[in-house]
Amino acid sequence: DVQLVESGGGLVQPGRSLRLSCAASGFIFDNHAMHWVRQAPGKGLEWVSGISWNSIRMDYADAVKGRYTISRDNAKNSLYLQMNSLRPEDTALYYCVRDKTGYNLYDYWGRGTLVTVSS
Amino acid sequence: QSALTQPASVSGSPGQSITISCSGTSNDVGAYNFVSWYQQHPGKAPNLIIYEVNRRPSGVSYRFSGSKSANTASLTISGLQAEDEADYYCCSYAGSGTLGVFGGGTKLTVL
Repeated sequence: DVQLVESGGGLVQPGRSLRLSCAASGFIFDNHAMHWVRQAPGKGLEWVSGISWNSIRMDYADAVKGRYTISRDNAKNSLYLQMNSLRPEDTALYYCVRDKTGYNLYDYWGRGTLVTVSS
Repeated sequence: QSALTQPASVSGSPGQSITISCSGTSNDVGAYNFVSWYQQHPGKAPNLIIYEVNRRPSGVSYRFSGSKSANTASLTISGLQAEDEADYYCCSYAGSGTLGVFGGGTKLTVL
């Protein structure tokens, strides 16, 4: 079975950094683009960042561009999100998501890891 | 990267049909047949219910169907059931790399 397990969330002060990880299993990891999608408390889904299977292409939402860096390690079946200069508005549940086709078809989602940015 | 536009809420009685619209632009919804829909129950991760405009993943009820006209995609749920009460989100490929865009979400209430 496909499994995506996020970790690394927590409470952090504004301006600080946090690194999220996603451990993938049950599928050939390097066959798929991967994404991070977040959901602020009581709000809708927001696409955050995506990375191609070979790490050649990385994209970011305008809200996080220049502050977040997505990466992956295909040897470890892992996806990462380095988040710097965090702001209160970054507070959200962050989901690790598999892209089935490379055209933003999100067929498997993790349970999410909660990031809270507050002083 | 503008979010797709969905109605904030829709409602219907058991057995009825409802349709949720998802308006985009000629750069996303109108340009590609890569529109997908997700159902999210409270406290749960989203679940894919429609992809490539009108295709259903294995295990998703036939009561869910999708369509598209110009820059607007639609999700129709027929024979409403209590378990359909959830939030629904549309998403479209935005034409460049891995860029993605979601709709703001629609809360479905089954009366």
